[in-house]
Amino acid sequence: ELKVEQNPLFLSMQEGKNYTIYCNYSTTSDRLYWYRQDPGKSLESLFVLLSNGAVKQEGRLMASLDTKARLSTLHITAAVHDLSATYFCAVDMGGGADGLTFGKGTHLIIQP
Amino acid sequence: EAGVTQSPTHLIKTRGQQVTLRCSPISGHTSVYWYQQALGLGLQFLLWYDEGEERNRGNFPPRFSGRQFPNYSSELNVNALELEDSALYLCASSFTRGNEQFFGPGTRLTVL
Repeated sequence: ELKVEQNPLFLSMQEGKNYTIYCNYSTTSDRLYWYRQDPGKSLESLFVLLSNGAVKQEGRLMASLDTKARLSTLHITAAVHDLSATYFCAVDMGGGADGLTFGKGTHLIIQP
Repeated sequence: EAGVTQSPTHLIKTRGQQVTLRCSPISGHTSVYWYQQALGLGLQFLLWYDEGEERNRGNFPPRFSGRQFPNYSSELNVNALELEDSALYLCASSFTRGNEQFFGPGTRLTVL
């Protein structure tokens, strides 16, 4: 059974600081996704990581994938209040056949 | 390009009732996925439809069912509602199996 573990599950940080969210998964994966969810809203796609060593950046967010370690990271640089949200990583193990398996999410609060 | 749409936005039902949720995928997408996001349980894969057929389902009882129409839109039916069915139901579509999934705004179901 595929397991996806995120940590931390809750993070409160100051504006201007850097931090990293970790996502570990238990079996070989086809794709790894990062999503953002605002309260009461749906999921917004942030990154799709396809191969070992993949690194993608958008603004203050950077995601990377190490398939050998089965680890993905989402790094936040110089955090701003607008990045406050819940961040999910999700793994596609079966080429879409089994849906996505999500981590529990990291609830991120950035204090001004 | 229009995104994934879902209706209704909110629903309130009582135990034992039946409910139908609707999803229209992005134009050109043939795969539709349904997910449940219940408090404390996280995001869980419910059903996958592709080319009009149910292709796979997650660990949910048979009272969760649905279908996909020739235009690739989809319905999710939940019979004999239970209190624990209260959740945000998210629909996602992808161009085909294994491609990136794009999520709709969700339907918030409350069972009283």
